[in-house]
Amino acid sequence: GNSVTQMEGPVTLSEEAFLTINCTYTATGYPSLFWYVQYPGEGLQLLLKATKADDKGSNKGFEATYRKETTSFHLEKGSVQVSDSAVYFCALTLGPGNTDKLIFGTGTRLQVFP
Amino acid sequence: EAQVTQNPRYLITVTGKKLTVTCSQNMNHEYMSWYRQDPGLGLRQIYYSMNVEVTDKGDVPEGYKVSRKEKRNFPLILESPSPNQTSLYFCASSFERMGAVYNEQFFGPGTRLTVL
Repeated sequence: GNSVTQMEGPVTLSEEAFLTINCTYTATGYPSLFWYVQYPGEGLQLLLKATKADDKGSNKGFEATYRKETTSFHLEKGSVQVSDSAVYFCALTLGPGNTDKLIFGTGTRLQVFP
Repeated sequence: EAQVTQNPRYLITVTGKKLTVTCSQNMNHEYMSWYRQDPGLGLRQIYYSMNVEVTDKGDVPEGYKVSRKEKRNFPLILESPSPNQTSLYFCASSFERMGAVYNEQFFGPGTRLTVL
């Protein structure tokens, strides 16, 4: 079936460290891929997206590249800040005609210390 | 301000006492959905609605009901809550653009429900 697998957390980093959160997927057809972020006490916000192979999504210094050959969409940031502390969810939708249902990974908590 | 609102934000109740969690959006979105978030499981879809009077089951619909009488509102009803429904609930909405590659979903702030 269709699914998303994320690395277990928490990920604990010092400020200005490099971040990678791994995400791999299994899906039929041509999924669109997303990273959502959940700050403490808030709902989910779309962080970035990629809708086809080799697309790179980017926002707020975060990046992720849609790799069809490895079925991956790893999240990276070159220098994290304390304000990046949150839970990050990788997700997919199954493409045109089936764009509404989001399939989520289990989430990865990021903790950044000064 | 464009937003999805949920009420209440926090609720503690007892087994068997019927409750409703409201969800409202002011963006004229056709599509609305309910998810529950549990540790180690991520978010799972409970029910969704493509438009007024059109609802369908998601992945974990047991024990829940929904209705869509108006475009802006999509309440989640627990007729007889049980402790295994203790969870964090999110409502989401989006435009329903036919043929679009994706339709961004906007999430409410969440409702933390505890059933004793």
